[in-house]
Amino acid sequence: DAGVIQSPRHEVTEMGQEVTLRCKPISGHNSLFWYRQTMMRGLELLIYFNNNVPIDDSGMPEDRFSAKMPNASFSTLKIQPSEPRDSAVYFCATGEGGQGGGQYFGAGTRLSVL
Amino acid sequence: AQSVSQHNHHVILSEAASLELGCNYSYGGTVNLFWYVQYPGQHLQLLLKYFSGDPLVKGIKGFEAEFIKSKFSFNLRKPSVQWSDTAEYFCAVNRKNRGSTLGRLYFGRGTQLTVWP
Repeated sequence: DAGVIQSPRHEVTEMGQEVTLRCKPISGHNSLFWYRQTMMRGLELLIYFNNNVPIDDSGMPEDRFSAKMPNASFSTLKIQPSEPRDSAVYFCATGEGGQGGGQYFGAGTRLSVL
Repeated sequence: AQSVSQHNHHVILSEAASLELGCNYSYGGTVNLFWYVQYPGQHLQLLLKYFSGDPLVKGIKGFEAEFIKSKFSFNLRKPSVQWSDTAEYFCAVNRKNRGSTLGRLYFGRGTQLTVWP
């Protein structure tokens, strides 16, 4: 398996632009997690899905952030409009849920908002 | 509230020194426990995990961790560190609820390990 695949790896955009981050989970994993990592705040859970259904989005910082999982093989995290303080590395992780525990992380998307 | 504490923010060691990184959690129920490592510029990778059974768990690259239930601890150890172990280490807890895990991990803030050659 290729693991969790995120795209793009790097994104540089200007304030006010829309940003879409993508994630392809490991086949068979039914839980998907979006995290944000910064020096100041560390690793933060933004939202997670189980069987394509959002379970907890309390970590989503503002209405400018939205996430979808239209099917078991794809998820997006969208920021509209983006702001400089959104600059961070965004990780997608997937897991088996159930009794599996454990999560497997993608390589991340490094977002810079100018 | 659920919390995971890593008491050391930054640990600096010389090569061949022994390592122990502390991790404590606050959840009183049954848990799964994990240690992840993040090398500079990379993503988090699973080092080892504890689900049940022998509380001493061995992971990759010579790392091990011991689950002490009475102390709510899951400390990471390595008898002799190498320069290549320089990385950030994260402890994480996954709650078991009503016989099934919820899937969510609660992470500590991480410990930066720097190993001098």
